[in-house]
Amino acid sequence: AQSVTQLDSQVPVFEEAPVELRCNYSSSVSVYLFWYVQYPNQGLQLLLKYLSGSTLVESINGFEAEFNKSQTSFHLRKPSVHISDTAEYFCAVSRTGFQKLVFGTGTRLLVSP
Amino acid sequence: EPEVTQTPSHQVTQMGQEVILRCVPISNHLYFYWYRQILGQKVEFLVSFYNNEISEKSEIFDDQFSVERPDGSNFTLKIRSTKLEDSAMYFCASSEARGAYEQYFGPGTRLTVT
Repeated sequence: AQSVTQLDSQVPVFEEAPVELRCNYSSSVSVYLFWYVQYPNQGLQLLLKYLSGSTLVESINGFEAEFNKSQTSFHLRKPSVHISDTAEYFCAVSRTGFQKLVFGTGTRLLVSP
Repeated sequence: EPEVTQTPSHQVTQMGQEVILRCVPISNHLYFYWYRQILGQKVEFLVSFYNNEISEKSEIFDDQFSVERPDGSNFTLKIRSTKLEDSAMYFCASSEARGAYEQYFGPGTRLTVT
């Protein structure tokens, strides 16, 4: 079975500062990795995903995540955050070829001026 | 941009009552899912549905739960006899295909069982 740990329930940061949201996973088989974002009163939106190939994946709004197999991590980073990045961020895994997403508990990113 | 919609946004029901949560997936998608999130807990997979049958389900998805695609556009989750612990946010999702394809989520239905 797969599991995901997001150790930080909340990360406060000032605007234009860098941020890292941590995600560690556990699986005995190969997985796909995802970061989803949830803005207030909205559904979950895919931010980025790792399927195979380059271990560094990027989103269109400046976020990036790096798959580290030896550390079983998929941390999300942004070099300079905006107020509009305030949201809940969920890390998720799925077993390759299967549908079920296993989510972490989420990290609330709070960006203040 | 196409999106998954869910109705109602909030449903309040009494313990023991039946509820039906409705979802309209993206029109060309073939796979459909229900997840739930109890307040303060993880988003949990309930069930996936393809070709008019359940393809995978979790231990949470017991005989109290059922899913249906009654008319080719709606996808419903029925809870036969609600319990207090069914109170949660229920998310519907759909995807073009299994595996690597993105699952598109709806905004959720908040179910409150009193």
